[in-house]
Amino acid sequence: EVQLVESGGGLVQPGGSLRLSCAASGFTFSSYAMHWVRQAPGKGLEYVSAISSNGGSTYYANSVKGRFTISRDNSKNTLYLQMGSLRAEDMAVYYCARVKGYGDYIAFDIWGQGTMVTVSS
Amino acid sequence: SSELTQDPAVSVALGQTVRITCQGDSLRSYYASWYQQKPGQAPVLVIYGKNNRPSGIPDRFSGSSSGNTASLTITGAQAEDEADYYCNSRDSSGNHHVVFGGGTKLTVL
Repeated sequence: EVQLVESGGGLVQPGGSLRLSCAASGFTFSSYAMHWVRQAPGKGLEYVSAISSNGGSTYYANSVKGRFTISRDNSKNTLYLQMGSLRAEDMAVYYCARVKGYGDYIAFDIWGQGTMVTVSS
Repeated sequence: SSELTQDPAVSVALGQTVRITCQGDSLRSYYASWYQQKPGQAPVLVIYGKNNRPSGIPDRFSGSSSGNTASLTITGAQAEDEADYYCNSRDSSGNHHVVFGGGTKLTVL
């Protein structure tokens, strides 16, 4: 079964750090670009970060640039998001998602179940 | 960066047809993809590219595009279609980013 499973969420104080993981199974992880997408409570989806299939290219939303780092270990079939200098506005459910296609469209065909990050003192 | 605009809420009578729209400059260059999200669940891809449905998505879901507007049409809406729907596309700014619409809450009456 094709699956993504996030972990690492939790409660963190403002200014703190957290590392999220996303374990992939059921497909050739190293063949796919991956994204992190977040959703604040009661709000819509927001692009956070992206990484190419070999990890050589990374991209960040302006809201997290300089504070978050995306990476992957293709030998472990795992995607990561290192989050630092966390703010209240970073509080959200964080999803990892597999990218399907990248030409005249971009789609996320597989999503994890999400992991909640709570930023509060 | 570009933005995608969706109506916050739309309703449809059971069995009728509903169109959910998404507007934005990036849609002049790229097709939208559409996601269905039910409470407490992760989003599910329902339409991608010109008008493609992933395996397992009913054929009552279809997509179209004209100018800066993309549309998701549900022909013969079912009670289980009640959900939030989001569009997304590549950002046309050339920065490899992705943009999402704000979402549309679909109510099936």
